[in-house]
Amino acid sequence: NAGVTQTPKFQVLKTGQSMTLQCAQDMNHNSMYWYRQDPGMGLRLIYYSASEGTTDKGEVPNGYNVSRLNKREFSLRLESAAPSQTSVYFCASSVLRGRTDTQYFGPGTRLTVL
Amino acid sequence: GIQVEQSPPDLILQEGANSTLRCNFSDSVNNLQWFHQNPWGQLINLFYIPSGTKQNGRLSATTVATERYSLLYISSSQTTDSGVYFCAAPVGNQFYFGTGTSLTVIP
Repeated sequence: NAGVTQTPKFQVLKTGQSMTLQCAQDMNHNSMYWYRQDPGMGLRLIYYSASEGTTDKGEVPNGYNVSRLNKREFSLRLESAAPSQTSVYFCASSVLRGRTDTQYFGPGTRLTVL
Repeated sequence: GIQVEQSPPDLILQEGANSTLRCNFSDSVNNLQWFHQNPWGQLINLFYIPSGTKQNGRLSATTVATERYSLLYISSSQTTDSGVYFCAAPVGNQFYFGTGTSLTVIP
């Protein structure tokens, strides 16, 4: 099992450019998440998908869109990148079996917007 | 959402020392997770602990749900324990993270 994989690992964009961050999991998990991590602020939830076919906004969704392509894949798109979106992005997945819930994280994507 | 607060924000230990990290949360939660983020940025599950005490080697965790806090104990610390420790609590389908405790273990 590869677990949760993310591509790319690093990316530099210019202001106004667009890009899509890819995430896939092979653990047959129902729920998937996108977080951003900024210095001194912990992880903040951008969007999540509780199950295939559904997506919901998290704490900081502005400037992002997501697609739950199938049960395995959950992508995050920046339509017009801004310097404030410079961050490390993590994808995660969880089983969500009733009250038993453990998240597993990908290795992260370090994004710089100039 | 809920507020998740961790203390201390920073901790420096001599190798071999013990430490206790604390996580307070502002509302009732059904479970709580502890993570370690290593110096390379990888987030690793340590414990899923909605209540009670669990142990895994030199690490153990205790959650007192009625008093809305959890503790992570690290005994006989090693340099490989360095990194940032996060706790996270779910509300519905969303997880709320604390801002972490940055631990440095010096040889």
